[in-house]
Amino acid sequence: GAVVSQHPSWVICKSGTSVKIECRSLDFQATTMFWYRQFPKQSLMLMATSNEGSKATYEQGVEKDKFLINHASLTLSTLTVTSAHPEDSSFYICSASTGNNSPLHFGNGTRLTVT
Amino acid sequence: AQTVTQSQPEMSVQEAETVTLSCTYDTSESDYYLFWYKQPPSRQMILVIRQEAYKQQNATENRFSVNFQKAAKSFSLKISDSQLGDAAMYFCAYLNTGNQFYFGTGTSLTVIP
Repeated sequence: GAVVSQHPSWVICKSGTSVKIECRSLDFQATTMFWYRQFPKQSLMLMATSNEGSKATYEQGVEKDKFLINHASLTLSTLTVTSAHPEDSSFYICSASTGNNSPLHFGNGTRLTVT
Repeated sequence: AQTVTQSQPEMSVQEAETVTLSCTYDTSESDYYLFWYKQPPSRQMILVIRQEAYKQQNATENRFSVNFQKAAKSFSLKISDSQLGDAAMYFCAYLNTGNQFYFGTGTSLTVIP
């Protein structure tokens, strides 16, 4: 149980375009989902906390107008990287929790390359 | 904010041997949860083991066990009978009662055949 699906697993886009990444909890409802960014051989950096039906909470230094997060339902959160630039190239991982101090369950991640 | 420290950026172990990965954390809370996650080359984050702070007994999952020292704020992971598939990045994580997770910087484990 507690499977999180993330799509796409990898994407290449041109500079200036936008990319949408989907994160779905397949067998549970996730009132809260988290979006992380990970650089090679580094830890996960929390970008934002996505709450169903409300605005996301962004971490300091993360541009909310650039990284748009929508949590439209209890099983789906999306991250849209707008006007992507090469420096946005990274590995993005979503995770979800069933709450009540339960562990995070992670998606497989999305490798974004902006050319 | 809580901080999680993993002082060993890299570790190696001979296949079938035992290795211990260290983790310390800083908190003023009494109730919290601790986790170890494994991230193999596929980069999928996999939960290895969890520990509730209110439990004195150390958690165990097959070849994986923890040494939880609450007073010392230490949470080490012991991997027994190491296998090649154990090679990965290991992240220690802290969860507070506000449902906020904090991750350590990770330890890269190499298993030598």
